[in-house]
Order: sequence, then C-alpha cells, then structure tokens
Amino acid sequence: QKEVEQDPGPLSVPEGAIVSLNCTYSNSAFQYFMWYRQYSRKGPELLMYTYSSGNKEDGRFTAQVDKSSKYISLFIRDSQPSDSATYLCAITGNQFYFGTGTSLTVIP
Amino acid sequence: NAGVMQNPRHLVRRRGQEARLRCSPMKGHSHVYWYRQLPEEGLKFMVYLQKENIIDESGMPKERFSAEFPKEGPSILRIQQVVRGDSAAYFCASSPLDSSYEQYFGPGTRLTVT
Repeated sequence: QKEVEQDPGPLSVPEGAIVSLNCTYSNSAFQYFMWYRQYSRKGPELLMYTYSSGNKEDGRFTAQVDKSSKYISLFIRDSQPSDSATYLCAITGNQFYFGTGTSLTVIP
Repeated sequence: NAGVMQNPRHLVRRRGQEARLRCSPMKGHSHVYWYRQLPEEGLKFMVYLQKENIIDESGMPKERFSAEFPKEGPSILRIQQVVRGDSAAYFCASSPLDSSYEQYFGPGTRLTVT
C-alpha cells in the first residue's frame, strides 16, 4: 500500500466551478499535510500546509484534513483558467511523501 | 528575496559519465531536500540535508548517487556512471529550520542520459 494515494485525473471543469481534489494516506503518524501546484515543466509551488484536522482557508483555496478517515482535500472556489496545473498533495512525518498529482484543466 | 536556484536547468550526459546538479537554497533556509520526478510518477524523496550533515538519505539509491551540502556553497547531487534510467527531472527544495512542511522548490534540472 502506498503511503499516499491521489487520483491522477485528468479533471476538466468550466471556469467558475468549484474543484475538489483529494488524497488518502495510510499512516496515522503523519503530521503535516501540504498542497502544491505544478505548472508544466516547472517546480512545485507550495499553496498551503496544515497540521490539524479541519479546514484552513487562503483566498479561493481551502485545505481540509480528516485524520480519522486519513483523507485530505483541496477545494478551489471560482476556478480560473490560470488554475490549470497539476496539484500534488504531500504528507510528512519523519519522511516526505508526495501523491502522483491530479491534472486540472479549467476551461474558459 | 531570490527563490531556490538550481543549475543547470538542462543537462545531457552520455552513459557512464558523471552528472553534478547544484542547488542554492532560499536566503535564510538551512535545510535542503532532493527529489526525483519521472513521467507519470510523483516526486520521490531522495535525501534531506543541512549544512555539513546528511539528515536522511533513505530515498537515495545505494550506489552511484551521493549528496552534500557544504558549509560554503550550494548543495550538490552527484550521479556517477549515469545510465538511461537516471533520466528524470531532479528538484531541490529548501525550508527554514525545523519547518520541513514548508518546502520551497527550485525550477528543477532535467537530466537526459543518451
């Protein structure tokens, strides 16, 4: 079983839609949960990180963690074409694990 | 404040040659991480360093790969006797002290082995 699993998509939505991106993880010892955005042929860009269960909001982005279910989500409100990218979840405890990424396309 | 810098951005090596990838962390960051990314695969952790010290190299292949972060200068990922399977994008990230969850990535080095 992989430490973190992420649906690769691809996901295609119209502009203005709410996007939900999800990951599951296997080890309850993981402590920090991060979301990165990666444009084609660029380095990942840190969007948000969170520690506890619950929601954390930053502009149009909301990160949600459910430790009891070992499930993390990223919601994007009012999605824009510039949000088209691959989104990676990442989890860290003593080591660092990244999901394989979900490819998102926002259609104008 | 400059971000994480990596060079070269693209590197072509023939099989059997050595590849040296460099990473300069963000100003004020003391921890460096190296990852490898293959098509259709996620980022795979390789090694975690602070200056003059390897913290965790559990993701590093046992042979041909080594990493260092000297007191002065950039961090170096070194691949000896490269093979075609080493072709990948190699990313470096840095974080402030004790904030491994706050990693900032460089633009990557794309290594092609011919």
